[in-house]
Amino acid sequence: AQSVAQPEDQVNVAEGNPLTVKCTYSVSGNPYLFWYVQYPNRGLQFLLKYITGDNLVKGSYGFEAEFNKSQTSFHLKKPSALVSDSALYFCAVRGESYNTDKLIFGTGTRLQVFP
Amino acid sequence: IAGITQAPTSQILAAGRRMTLRCTQDMRHNAMYWYRQDLGLGLRLIHYSNTAGTTGKGEVPDGYSVSRANTDDFPLTLASAVPSQTSVYFCASSVGQGSNEQFFGPGTRLTVL
Repeated sequence: AQSVAQPEDQVNVAEGNPLTVKCTYSVSGNPYLFWYVQYPNRGLQFLLKYITGDNLVKGSYGFEAEFNKSQTSFHLKKPSALVSDSALYFCAVRGESYNTDKLIFGTGTRLQVFP
Repeated sequence: IAGITQAPTSQILAAGRRMTLRCTQDMRHNAMYWYRQDLGLGLRLIHYSNTAGTTGKGEVPDGYSVSRANTDDFPLTLASAVPSQTSVYFCASSVGQGSNEQFFGPGTRLTVL
């Protein structure tokens, strides 16, 4: 069965420092991986996805994620964090049905960026 | 362009009452989804629809029903609400061809007393 794990409930980082939010996955077949962000009292917003191709995927708001097949990871990264990046981040993997967009979400990681 | 709208924004409901959460999208997406978000559990899929006229059960379907009479609308009904259904509910949609991201509505905060 497809699954993702986000091992950290919260990540704290100082503004201007690089940030990493971790995600590992378990899939049968090729992984289709996604990152979403949720700001307070809002719905989820799509950040980026990996389907195939380059292992480094660039997305919205300066975020990027690195697909690592040997480590079954898809960590979200940003070179220089902003206070406004503080939010809840979700990793997701496509479900087992290959012709649908059904996703399985992780439990989320709260990112706190301190001034 | 509105994207996805949900109504109501929030609702307090007595246990045992029937409630329908509304969801409408204007992107002509084939697929639509309902999730509930609970602290520490992330998002869990309740029901989904790959195309108008079809629906399917997700991870936590008990106590909920859906219909998909047309492309745009995907209402979620709680036939007899219970306190464990207190949650934030999100509707989402996607093109539906297997590699596409989902677009989310703003959510409905439901409290069942």
